[in-house]
This record gives sequence, structure tokens and C-alpha cells, in this order.
Amino acid sequence: DVKVTQSSRYLVKRTGEKVFLECVQDMDHENMFWYRQDPGLGLRLIYFSYDVKMKEKGDIPEGYSVSREKKERFSLILESASTNQTSMYLCAVHTKTYEQYFGPGTRLTVT
Amino acid sequence: GNSVTQMEGPVTLSEEAFLTINCTYTATGYPSLFWYVQYPGEGLQLLLKATKADDKGSNKGFEATYRKETTSFHLEKGSVQVSDSAVYFCALSERAGGTSYGKLTFGQGTILTVHP
Repeated sequence: DVKVTQSSRYLVKRTGEKVFLECVQDMDHENMFWYRQDPGLGLRLIYFSYDVKMKEKGDIPEGYSVSREKKERFSLILESASTNQTSMYLCAVHTKTYEQYFGPGTRLTVT
Repeated sequence: GNSVTQMEGPVTLSEEAFLTINCTYTATGYPSLFWYVQYPGEGLQLLLKATKADDKGSNKGFEATYRKETTSFHLEKGSVQVSDSAVYFCALSERAGGTSYGKLTFGQGTILTVHP
């Protein structure tokens, strides 16, 4: 199974700060995803990437951007953090057996 | 578009009780179906999957059958344990390839609490 790690488990940032969330896989799967999880809303797709430097918007991309310079690493960027971006952020990797493996999540609080 | 609807929670059961969490879906084409589980403070783990109609996924005593005629994928377990307390998510994925890339569409999650 692929192992997915995320740079921080908990993060506290101030409104207006630029925030970087990193996700790393230990294999070379092509498709990687960023979701946010909010109570009662399930998981919603922010962005995904299907190869190095290739990306597509998900369902809620506003206020976010992403970067994929190397195959194993997929970064989520909050250009100017706002309080409504306080959430749990989950990274996932899609495998050729049609399964997604998730990282442990980063709980971000914006004050 | 695709959508997944789960029964609303929370669900509270006594140990050894029978569990059913309902899940229905709307999708174009022939999706794969999944159940994920999230234990407190952790990320999501794949619990089981089914990739075509009438397939039964099973793992750790949990089962779900892909019912195309009723567009359902209900999760069941015959005898729950306290350690099964978690949030359960039903999800679907179009096949990777084309423009789908294996994106998952999730239900809203069902909180399960099992008491001794």
C-alpha cells in the first residue's frame, strides 16, 4: 500500500497569511487529490493533479492553488488565509487498482 | 453530476448489535463504490470496495453489496464492537481514464458510537 504523509497534523495561522500544506507519497502514482472535510458536509474536492505540473480544479477551488513540481509531492496553497478556511485538509493518492489512500490530515485553524 | 446520500446520524448502538448504514448514489456510467472509515484523530482508511454490479465487498466483518437496480451500497455488520466507533463514509468513483482521474464523490458521513 502507498504511504501518504502530510507536513503538519495541526496548524494555526492568522488571517491574511500565506499557508502551505504539503503532501508526499512514497511511490510514483500519478493522481493526487486535496480535499477539505467539514462536519455535515463530508469531503469536498479542492484540486487534483494527474501528473507533474498538471492540475485541475475540483468542486471548491476558490481561495486555493496547488503545486506539483515532483511526482511524489503535491502542495496546497492558501494565498491569503481566511477564517472560513478553518477546516481539516486531507490529501489522497489514487492507485491503479481504483483505490485512494489518504494521509492523516492537517487540522488548520485560521484566527 | 454524481452524488452520494447516506443515512443521517449519529447512530448509537450497544455492543453486539446489528449495524446497517444506508447509502444510495446517483452516477453516470458504471462507478466503483467504496466505504471508508475514519477513526478519531486519523485520516480516512479504505474499508471495502466493489467495482461492478452484484459484487460484495467485505472486510473486518463489514459487508456491502453493489446493487445497480436500486443504486445502493448499504454497509452491514452482524455484531459491532466498541472499537468500531468511528465515522463512516460512502463514496463513488468513476473509472480512472478519460477525464475522471478516479475522483471520489463522498456522502456526508455517518457517526457511529458503540457502547459496551
